Amino acid sequence: GQQVMQIPQYQHVQEGEDFTTYCNSSTTLSNIQWYKQRPGGHPVFLIQLVKSGEVKKQKRLTFQFGEAKKNSSLHITATQTTDVGTYFCARLIQGAQKLVFGQGTRLTINP
Amino acid sequence: NAGVTQTPKFQVLKTGQSMTLQCAQDMNHEYMSWYRQDPGMGLRLIHYSVGAGITDQGEVPNGYNVSRSTTEDFPLRLLSAAPSQTSVYFCASSYTLGNNEQFFGPGTRLTVL
Repeated sequence: GQQVMQIPQYQHVQEGEDFTTYCNSSTTLSNIQWYKQRPGGHPVFLIQLVKSGEVKKQKRLTFQFGEAKKNSSLHITATQTTDVGTYFCARLIQGAQKLVFGQGTRLTINP
Repeated sequence: NAGVTQTPKFQVLKTGQSMTLQCAQDMNHEYMSWYRQDPGMGLRLIHYSVGAGITDQGEVPNGYNVSRSTTEDFPLRLLSAAPSQTSVYFCASSYTLGNNEQFFGPGTRLTVL
């Protein structure tokens, strides 16, 4: 019940193509955070979504939080080689003071 | 600020050996945590602390101990290393957990033979 499922596990695209990763939960989420991990690096915070239906943009990245607060997505428009890495969503288990991560989506790009 | 630092960066142990992974932060963060990362498994929470003197178990605590004697330091101890503990270990911190980004250290790559 506390897990978040991310799909797909892997995605390979041509440079310039769009990319989307999805994060799904069977229970309502209090918030969702997104992180990016470059190959050989550590996770780096991208954004947090809190409100139902929230949409936030960071340049070519668009983050959405579902109306029912059970799913979220990260969409990258016109991928660049700098977008390579693994993207993780994470949910806050508030009462238990835990942050639970999805399995991640690994993005590779053909230049 | 150095942020979150971890030592060592790499470590090879033999089965049964013990060791301590060090983690320190200089941002005066109350919340600190340890994750392990294995291929296809994402980041799994081992232990966490909401402040000095307070620790609790995460999803995969077996075989690991932690203590939090100061706000800055949160060491992770492997009591008797096993090959199943071969992984990359990340320490993270934040002001509190709720609605705050986690700052991750660079990681420790551990191999247990």
